[in-house]
Amino acid sequence: DAGITQSPRHKVTETGTPVTLRCHQTENHRYMYWYRQDPGHGLRLIHYSYGVKDTDKGEVSDGYSVSRSKTEDFLLTLESATSSQTSVYFCATLPDRRHYNEQFFGPGTRLTVL
Amino acid sequence: AQSVTQLDSQVPVFEEAPVELRCNYSSSVSVYLFWYVQYPNQGLQLLLKYLSGSTLVKGINGFEAEFNKSQTSFHLRKPSVHISDTAEYFCAVSDQGAGSYQLTFGKGTKLSVIP
Repeated sequence: DAGITQSPRHKVTETGTPVTLRCHQTENHRYMYWYRQDPGHGLRLIHYSYGVKDTDKGEVSDGYSVSRSKTEDFLLTLESATSSQTSVYFCATLPDRRHYNEQFFGPGTRLTVL
Repeated sequence: AQSVTQLDSQVPVFEEAPVELRCNYSSSVSVYLFWYVQYPNQGLQLLLKYLSGSTLVKGINGFEAEFNKSQTSFHLRKPSVHISDTAEYFCAVSDQGAGSYQLTFGKGTKLSVIP
């Protein structure tokens, strides 16, 4: 457990509304990641961050944006939620390159878009 | 680009029987390999990892995995499963190149242990 919390843990929203998910870590890890988990697809990378204000796109970034203004917080925003974004979202962290890409995961946020 | 194939989406097994969960990967460079476990309604927890050296890797809860470079496989095994091993298991790969700190995951294998 690398001191990773995600909020909210559950959210139900309507199509077209903006949604922001928060990932907070207390370990001063440099790298942070957002994944989505869907049945039959495993985990797919949405966006990641390699430092404050430094972010990049992952495999499934369309419809998502991120921000990292502090080391400890990584925000994932759905500007206009769609039903296809119903999923479980996981945040992960990586201390630095010396940890051989072993990532630590948060508990997840279950998002339902009606 | 890397990819991971977990050959079985679901594996039922009786309690105290052995189990093998299969994982094959594709990569043009040297890799690190991981197995993560996800218990119901929880996040992912590292089970074991292969970085270098001995190809047989031991992890938590009695699991082990063997790295086979020629077959590009990293199969997970346990000689005797318990009810508490019921979970979803994910194989993941990461290349060893500098600047690449991403994991590519397989689609997961659901292990169901039958009493």
